[in-house]
Amino acid sequence: NAGVTQTPKFQVLKTGQSMTLQCAQDMNHNSMYWYRQDPGMGLRLIYYSASEGTTDKGEVPNGYNVSRLNKREFSLRLESAAPSQTSVYFCASSETLQETQYFGPGTRLLVL
Amino acid sequence: AQSVTQLGSHVSVSEGALVLLRCNYSSSVPPYLFWYVQYPNQGLQLLLKYTTGATLVKGINGFEAEFKKSETSFHLTKPSAHMSDAAEYFCAVSEFGGKLTFGQGTILTVHP
Repeated sequence: NAGVTQTPKFQVLKTGQSMTLQCAQDMNHNSMYWYRQDPGMGLRLIYYSASEGTTDKGEVPNGYNVSRLNKREFSLRLESAAPSQTSVYFCASSETLQETQYFGPGTRLLVL
Repeated sequence: AQSVTQLGSHVSVSEGALVLLRCNYSSSVPPYLFWYVQYPNQGLQLLLKYTTGATLVKGINGFEAEFKKSETSFHLTKPSAHMSDAAEYFCAVSEFGGKLTFGQGTILTVHP
């Protein structure tokens, strides 16, 4: 089992460019999450999907969109990247919202 | 609303010394509490969690934490630090096992 995988591992964007971060899990989990990690701020929830077909905003959703493509995959899209979106992005999944979350290795994004 | 405060963004100990990482939380309902560890350039890994029942929780790698409701604390301890314990540690809280709110993180350094 690969667990939670994320692509790409590292990306550099120019301000205004768009990109999609991909996340997939092979644990048959129902719930999936996107977080961003910034120094001194811990992890903050961007969006989550409690189950296939549903998505909800987290603490910091502005500037992002998500798609729960199927039970395995949950993508995060930046339509017009800004320097403030420079961060490390983590995807996570859990069997349900109440169960332990398992994290991917992260995507480092630099917006110039 | 739930929140987490980790006291001390950096903690330094000698190898073999006691590790104590402090976490205080705020929650309007009985919380679920978690400690995660992040090694450099990796995702987060669950160390231990408290949901209900016994207030002293044992985790992986010799770590344990005690839930103290009266002090709203969930401090992480390990009797004897090892060089391999050097990492960043995150405390997190969820209400009824729902969405996680993370603390700011504590970087643990272990000196020979």
